[in-house]
Amino acid sequence: DGGITQSPKYLFRKEGQNVTLSCEQNLNHDAMYWYRQDPGQGLRLIYYSQIVNDFQKGDIAEGYSVSREKKESFPLTVTSAQKNPTAFYLCASSDRTRSIMNTEAFFGQGTRLTVV
Amino acid sequence: GQQLNQSPQSMFIQEGEDVSMNCTSSSIFNTWLWYKQEPGEGPVLLIALYKAGELTSNGRLTAQFGITRKDSFLNISASIPSDVGIYFCAGQPFLYNAGNMLTFGGGTRLMVKP
Repeated sequence: DGGITQSPKYLFRKEGQNVTLSCEQNLNHDAMYWYRQDPGQGLRLIYYSQIVNDFQKGDIAEGYSVSREKKESFPLTVTSAQKNPTAFYLCASSDRTRSIMNTEAFFGQGTRLTVV
Repeated sequence: GQQLNQSPQSMFIQEGEDVSMNCTSSSIFNTWLWYKQEPGEGPVLLIALYKAGELTSNGRLTAQFGITRKDSFLNISASIPSDVGIYFCAGQPFLYNAGNMLTFGGGTRLMVKP
């Protein structure tokens, strides 16, 4: 089945450590996105990538880094520079090769990161 | 970035009641999407709207793309306990945006009392 997979589901990090969240999709989508969700809040865009080897900062990119070496993969690294990293992280993808009007994003199941 | 105002923030209703929630923006949107998120899961797309005035149904759910292109509503008829979750609106602004970025509303938390 086609879909978007995030791993791990739960992640614990010690303060001062970098940690990488995985996101893989087999939907053949060009565009991939990372969002952060805090309790009771909406989704805030961290980074996005429209094509392999290209990515752009979203609204809250500070303290995060990404790479897009393969179309199907868009890992997110939460660095020690992120002062408040405990949150629910969501990865999404969409098919930009379709009409610009068709912008549905499909989400993974999320990774809950907790700093201990 | 762009902001979507979604209301209400939360609703606590009796099973069987109808539900209505909406999103508004100060700017024009090309696309309106409605998602549902259950606890600890990613949002799932419920309905997508692409034309002003468009009214689309998905089972007990009905959503409309406002004529002004600045708002959208989602209605749920005859609510059931499994409707519980957070409902998000999302939209793509009309202004050129190379990333086809979606802007999300703050969510409506729906609770249904059996």
